Amino acid sequence: AAGVIQSPRHLIKEKRETATLKCYPIPRHDTVYWYQQGPGQDPQFLISFYEKMQSDKGSIPDRFSAQQFSDYHSELNMSSLELGDSALYFCASSFDRGRTTEAFFGQGTRLTVV
Amino acid sequence: SQQGEEDPQALSIQEGENATMNCSYKTSINNLQWYRQNSGRGLVHLILIRSNEREKHSGRLRVTLDTSKKSSSLLITASRAADTASYFCATALNYGQNFVFGPGTRLSVLP
Repeated sequence: AAGVIQSPRHLIKEKRETATLKCYPIPRHDTVYWYQQGPGQDPQFLISFYEKMQSDKGSIPDRFSAQQFSDYHSELNMSSLELGDSALYFCASSFDRGRTTEAFFGQGTRLTVV
Repeated sequence: SQQGEEDPQALSIQEGENATMNCSYKTSINNLQWYRQNSGRGLVHLILIRSNEREKHSGRLRVTLDTSKKSSSLLITASRAADTASYFCATALNYGQNFVFGPGTRLSVLP
């Protein structure tokens, strides 16, 4: 069965650069969530989208922005990268905001800022 | 503050033993989900239990939910070395809201 696809799997950027992470949800899923997991930390919610509209917002820095496109894929844009942004970034998807289904996570994008 | 808190933070057992991990949360929830994460890898969904359910089984997994105590437990029976991973509970306050993860329990199953 198709799962949540994230790209790239690994990304190395320098300080002050920009990064774009992509997430392709499970087919027919209309809700996307983004999480950040620092080393040894639990995943922290960043932002979510439902039907292409922002649904909920967590601890997402102002330097980050995200959107969900008409095909339901989502992109997380990160600018002015800092060393502390180095983390594993997960995307998850569900149907109807998780009302009746669980959320499934992608394998994550490991971002390293040097 | 954390919505979900796992207990214990780390657990080491022998293969074949049962492992029990607990999760507590602070506010009312719509559902609670358990995930497994191998080191540095993705989060694998294990089981979802809704607020109106008390117990759920899936293979060697048994999850209970006590909404009066705002707690849940995950029991892995007859553990295997391959069960070695971090286990997280995640709560959804209401549908449409984000999942709040606890700090996770690091389970080590020794052969």
